[in-house]
Amino acid sequence: AQSVTQLGSHVSVSEGALVLLRCNYSSSVPPYLFWYVQYPNQGLQLLLKYTSAATLVKGINGFEAEFKKSETSFHLTKPSAHMSDAAEYFCAVSVSWAAGNKLTFGGGTRVLVKP
Amino acid sequence: NAGVMQNPRHLVRRRGQEARLRCSPMKGHSHVYWYRQLPEEGLKFMVYLQKENIIDESGMPKERFSAEFPKEGPSILRIQQVVRGDSAAYFCASSPESGVPTDTQYFGPGTRLTVL
Repeated sequence: AQSVTQLGSHVSVSEGALVLLRCNYSSSVPPYLFWYVQYPNQGLQLLLKYTSAATLVKGINGFEAEFKKSETSFHLTKPSAHMSDAAEYFCAVSVSWAAGNKLTFGGGTRVLVKP
Repeated sequence: NAGVMQNPRHLVRRRGQEARLRCSPMKGHSHVYWYRQLPEEGLKFMVYLQKENIIDESGMPKERFSAEFPKEGPSILRIQQVVRGDSAAYFCASSPESGVPTDTQYFGPGTRLTVL
């Protein structure tokens, strides 16, 4: 079975500073990895996804993530935080056709952006 | 192109009542997933459906919960005899016809169920 661990349930960054959100996965087969963002009282919006093409994936709103197989990681970064980045971020994995494409989510990281 | 629609957005039930949550997938999507988000937790998979078929219900509680996705109309998640522990946000997601693991799942705004 697959699993996802997000280190740090809360992260506080200053506006303009680097945003780094950590995600490690466990999977016995090649994974497909996703980052979603959730704003208060809203559904999840896809930021980016890794589908075994390029290991460095660029997403919306200036975010990117790098798949590192040797470290089983898929950390999310943004060079310069904006106030609008305050939200909760979820890393998720999907592994196989047989599993029916269900997503397994990490526990989430809530980002606070300080002015 | 409308996104995934869920209604109601908020639902209050007393213990022992039934809750019915509805989900209309995006146009052209025939795969529907239900997830539950308990307070201060991540989302947990409940069930995966295609039209008229339950494909994977490995995340559904064994009792009181059921789901359907009829040929016509929205997908329904039904919770019978609700208990306080059912209080959560329930999210529906849909994906395109292909249904492969790399498909993006598009999420609805969720239904927040409160059990008194």
